Amino acid sequence: DSGVTQTPKHLITATGQRVTLRCSPRSGDLSVYWYQQSLDQGLQFLIQYYNGEERAKGNILERFSAQQFPDLHSELNLSSLELGDSALYFCASSAGGQGIGEQFFGPGTRLTVL
Amino acid sequence: QKEVEQDPGPLSVPEGAIVSLNCTYSNSAFQYFMWYRQYSRKGPELLMYTYSSGNKEDGRFTAQVDKSSKYISLFIRDSQPSDSATYLCAMSGIDSWGKLQFGAGTQVVVTP
Repeated sequence: DSGVTQTPKHLITATGQRVTLRCSPRSGDLSVYWYQQSLDQGLQFLIQYYNGEERAKGNILERFSAQQFPDLHSELNLSSLELGDSALYFCASSAGGQGIGEQFFGPGTRLTVL
Repeated sequence: QKEVEQDPGPLSVPEGAIVSLNCTYSNSAFQYFMWYRQYSRKGPELLMYTYSSGNKEDGRFTAQVDKSSKYISLFIRDSQPSDSATYLCAMSGIDSWGKLQFGAGTQVVVTP
């Protein structure tokens, strides 16, 4: 158990809908990262937050957004969902802000868009 | 061309054998190198974390980094059926703010 928690474990929804994925980092970690894992693209970095502020962005679609709250938990919002958004979404956390150091991953949320 | 190349396998070995995994990369700015183990449909689990070139050993695992060749390796000694999983290499640079670049992952099967 990495100490990173994610909810829900599974999510099934329809195209065009909006969902919110939630992540709680390890105790004491200030950075949260979101990754998407699909069969054809592998693990792809989406976005990083450090102590409430966005620090780095990857290939995140405009339909996706994230935020980190004062209690350090983070949410990833996916809107206007398409079939291709079906994937595993992982959250990771680390202690520092510059991303130097180990990242510990949560168990993931499996999103299925029908 | 992908920044990180990793053979997807599968790699099948008998129990007790040494598992040898590797990744090559093209970005010379990468300074931090990691190996993760991922069981089916689970979150990646950090196995090894190394900085720059050199070797690092932890129990049955040895990680090697050769920056001059842009090549990293992971060796698993005395492999067990419980080592059957997908192994992902990941790396990042000092200025990349923790954005990890992952390899495709190598599926390893250890047969009893």
